[in-house]
Amino acid sequence: DAKTTQPTSMDCAEGRAANLPCNHSTISGNEYVYWYRQIHSQGPQYIIHGLKNNETNEMASLIITEDRKSSTLILPHATLRDTAVYYCIGGRDSNYQLIWGAGTKLIIKP
Amino acid sequence: NAGVTQTPKFQVLKTGQSMTLQCAQDMNHEYMSWYRQDPGMGLRLIHYSVGAGITDQGEVPNGYNVSRSTTEDFPLRLLSAAPSQTSVYFCASSRRAGVPVSYEQYFGPGTRLTVT
Repeated sequence: DAKTTQPTSMDCAEGRAANLPCNHSTISGNEYVYWYRQIHSQGPQYIIHGLKNNETNEMASLIITEDRKSSTLILPHATLRDTAVYYCIGGRDSNYQLIWGAGTKLIIKP
Repeated sequence: NAGVTQTPKFQVLKTGQSMTLQCAQDMNHEYMSWYRQDPGMGLRLIHYSVGAGITDQGEVPNGYNVSRSTTEDFPLRLLSAAPSQTSVYFCASSRRAGVPVSYEQYFGPGTRLTVT
């Protein structure tokens, strides 16, 4: 089954850009990379997704490498409210369902 | 729009009891799913549905049943609760878009279940 690899935890200073990496080296050609976050045991929140091109929305930017083996989620001006676990999803299991890993715990420090 | 709603928020069951976790969405999404999340872990898929009348098993289906009689509702039934089913349960509905198709999932607030 395709899987993603993310750092277990990261820190970022408030007001700075938070860059969260993800490796998804086994992702297949027509599969999207999705990013979600979960704030303190609430339901996960959709952030952004992309296929090949870089994407930007009101929450974040997604940079996907040309070989599609990795991506970076960028929160341009992190605030304390961005403290959360961030999940990168870049593959499906044998039943064609998305695989959720353990995510990256991002802590924004004042 | 209320989005995805789940009831109850909290539940305590005794071993062997049965119950139904309710999930409803008002976004007219065809795809709905149930996940469980154990402490410090990511989400694991229990069951999913691609439309009314169609359900299928996910990664961890044992001990759970689902049905989908309407687009809006997707209840999850615990047949005979066990301590191993203590977890937080999330329901999600998905918006399909684009070619190839992408799925943006929208999650409910979760049900925190304890089985003693």
